[in-house]
Amino acid sequence: SQQGEEDPQALSIQEGENATMNCSYKTSINNLQWYRQNSGRGLVHLILIRSNEREKHSGRLRVTLDTSKKSSSLLITASRAADTASYFCATPGDDMRFGAGTRLTVKP
Amino acid sequence: DTGVSQDPRHKITKRGQNVTFRCDPISEHNRLYWYRQTLGQGPEFLTYFQNEAQLEKSRLLSDRFSAERPKGSFSTLEIQRTEQGDSAMYLCASSESGRPQAFFGQGTRLTVV
Repeated sequence: SQQGEEDPQALSIQEGENATMNCSYKTSINNLQWYRQNSGRGLVHLILIRSNEREKHSGRLRVTLDTSKKSSSLLITASRAADTASYFCATPGDDMRFGAGTRLTVKP
Repeated sequence: DTGVSQDPRHKITKRGQNVTFRCDPISEHNRLYWYRQTLGQGPEFLTYFQNEAQLEKSRLLSDRFSAERPKGSFSTLEIQRTEQGDSAMYLCASSESGRPQAFFGQGTRLTVV
């Protein structure tokens, strides 16, 4: 498989605002996943969207997938300081590779 | 079972020494992955196992790096003749075959002085 590439590299917002991160990939996929990583910790799975889905929600998270553009976006609504973390997308095949991620800072 | 466990959490070693890290995956997971991550970067894929078989190795995994999963359960990652450039967080993850969600350990932070 190939890795996704996240954009922007860094994002700084105020608490309560929405945060949008994007992921682009190059080959066809069965699914795309988003992970979060707090500083110095392991990655935590957030949400998976399958290739036949266009949008998926989980709490304050909304993920979209556009297979024609080979892109996905992660929207975090009503952000909180605790959302400060790095966010990664992954398009798993037999292996699983990650891009450089988006470092989100939510200021209180 | 409380998730993926990595040991040690931190390791400081002198350049030239060998180090070995251990990863205990979630018990029913037959896939196990190793990654290396440096500050500000995403996890770099090193290798992965399906049961005891090592199916893919990154070119990042030089001849100083070796990984094993002898019984298809826990795995070890050994770095021989460590160099300062090996300083990084080493992450392990596991998943069930056919289920894409991976579960990560907390990582082993290696510092080579």
